Amino acid sequence: SQTIHQWPATLVQPVGSPLSLECTVEGTSNPNLYWYRQAAGRGLQLLFYSVGIGQISSEVPQNLSASRPQDRQFILSSKKLLLSDSGFYLCAWSARDRGYGANVLTFGAGSRLTVL
Amino acid sequence: RKEVEQDPGPFNVPEGATVAFNCTYSNSASQSFFWYRQDCRKEPKLLMSVYSSGNEDGRFTAQLNRASQYISLLIRDSKLSDSATYLCVVIARTGGFKTIFGAGTRLFVKA
Repeated sequence: SQTIHQWPATLVQPVGSPLSLECTVEGTSNPNLYWYRQAAGRGLQLLFYSVGIGQISSEVPQNLSASRPQDRQFILSSKKLLLSDSGFYLCAWSARDRGYGANVLTFGAGSRLTVL
Repeated sequence: RKEVEQDPGPFNVPEGATVAFNCTYSNSASQSFFWYRQDCRKEPKLLMSVYSSGNEDGRFTAQLNRASQYISLLIRDSKLSDSATYLCVVIARTGGFKTIFGAGTRLFVKA
């Protein structure tokens, strides 16, 4: 069965510090990978998605970046965090487009970031 | 206008009550429909898919009306453990597939 791992679960970072969140998927190959952010009391905001190694699409311009160095690894980074980067970051995967129901998203447990 | 709109809630109901959530979508290329559940400070998890013929999973019933672009979720005999945020999710085919989340409806079930 497929599993998705995301870490760290919680982190507190000062403004201006770098960020690296990592996500890995097991039990599948060629997944679509996603990074979402959820601010407190708000809905999910898609940040990045990837359909393959080195292929990253950005949905929202900001000081974050994403990379996919391996098929089942997705990394979210920032060189300098802002206060507004605080939130709940969720990695997700879905199977490649195969028709109805193929793109159901499965989420990792999330990384809660507080920027002070 | 948001592509997927839900009742904002919160819904406060007693145990045993029946509660219904509504969701409308605007993208006519929408093909797949789901309800997710998100517990406080946790990740969203798939609750059930939604089919045109309607589908039921225990106390949960989901309905889809493609003509009205409307999705519903009915929870019967509410339990305390049903307290969560319920997210309406639509997958639209626009070239590739695009997953669109509603903002969610918060449910509180009280003893």
